[in-house]
Amino acid sequence: DAGVIQSPRHEVTEMGQEVTLRCKPISGHNSLFWYRQTMMRGLELLIYFNNNVPIDDSGMPEDRFSAKMPNASFSTLKIQPSEPRDSAVYFCASNVGGGRFEEQFFGPGTRLTVL
Amino acid sequence: AQTVTQSQPEMSVQEAETVTLSCTYDTSESDYYLFWYKQPPSRQMILVIRQEAYKQQNATENRFSVNFQKAAKSFSLKISDSQLGDAAMYFCAYRSEGAQKLVFGQGTRLTINP
Repeated sequence: DAGVIQSPRHEVTEMGQEVTLRCKPISGHNSLFWYRQTMMRGLELLIYFNNNVPIDDSGMPEDRFSAKMPNASFSTLKIQPSEPRDSAVYFCASNVGGGRFEEQFFGPGTRLTVL
Repeated sequence: AQTVTQSQPEMSVQEAETVTLSCTYDTSESDYYLFWYKQPPSRQMILVIRQEAYKQQNATENRFSVNFQKAAKSFSLKISDSQLGDAAMYFCAYRSEGAQKLVFGQGTRLTINP
């Protein structure tokens, strides 16, 4: 099993540019999560989907952030326009969904640097 | 809202020794789940061990075990016979019953001294 796949692994961009992060969950998993990790705030959930439907987006910092899941095997997190304070590691995770005790499987993360 | 606190930003231990990482949490719920994740320098988040709140028995996975004290809202991780490969950031996480969201602590950086 390939695990959760994220691309790119590293992204460096300039303030004001649009950034798109991509995630492919594990095949058969019905829930997908986007987390952000920073030194100041630690790991925080941004949004999660069940069966491609956004369930909780209360962690999305502001309107500059948007996430989509057009099908069961692909999700994107977009930042437009990007700002230096968006610099962080962004993780995607997935699980089968619905289980009481399920592990979330994490991807390797995308390190985003906004100059 | 639930919060998770890891009061030890850094810990170190001699190889082959035992170390305990602390975690406390705040919740008004009676049913929930607790997890310890390991994040090595590769950044990959790896599940180490998990505990259901309704189970009194402490979870154990090989050299890793927990001390779950529900009344005290404490969930510490004990690593026995520490190995160099155990060096990593360790995160404690909480999940409510019926919810999917994980709430993480700030992490503890564990160094293993050879």
